Amino acid sequence: GQNIDQPTEMTATEGAIVQINCTYQTSGFNGLFWYQQHAGEAPTFLSYNVLDGLEEKGRFSSFLSRSKGYSYLLLKELQMKDSASYLCAVRNQAGTALIFGKGTTLSVSS
Amino acid sequence: DGGITQSPKYLFRKEGQNVTLSCEQNLNHDAMYWYRQDPGQGLRLIYYSQIVNDFQKGDIAEGYSVSREKKESFPLTVTSAQKNPTAFYLCASSSGGGGEQFFGPGTRLTVL
Repeated sequence: GQNIDQPTEMTATEGAIVQINCTYQTSGFNGLFWYQQHAGEAPTFLSYNVLDGLEEKGRFSSFLSRSKGYSYLLLKELQMKDSASYLCAVRNQAGTALIFGKGTTLSVSS
Repeated sequence: DGGITQSPKYLFRKEGQNVTLSCEQNLNHDAMYWYRQDPGQGLRLIYYSQIVNDFQKGDIAEGYSVSREKKESFPLTVTSAQKNPTAFYLCASSSGGGGEQFFGPGTRLTVL
């Protein structure tokens, strides 16, 4: 079976740092993706990890530990526009599709 | 501009009617996907296609059908057999089967 877990909701204040965790149990691993989705809109790609370690891209960073089946997305210097859902997705064993978690809704307040 | 288009953005249908959702991409991607999104459920894979004239069932294919006659197009038909069709439907494409996926704007289907 395959399972991806993320917290349902998180709140934070403008200017702060927030870490969104994702744990996965899959029959194989071929890479992990993070997407951002604003309400009623399409998801947009944020980051991709296939090897252990941290990938940094501006205010956003993503970390992966394959041995622990664990990833996190780190958002720095939060802005109001970062209020959105953040989706963790794992590439399936065959490498043919992505399996998405249920997403974490982040609310940023001033 | 390259991208993925879905039409219409909002769609209303009566119960018992089949409805076809359009998805077109001009990114020259081989793989295309259909997802359904319900509140609190994340994205669930309905069907995917890695190449023209071939497609595979995803996790929730029952009550849906697809075709892939052209590389650019991957229409989804929601049949009357789908028990709870009201949802937000997202189409995506990628250059490789498991690579970064680019999403269309989605179609919100409401069955009355």
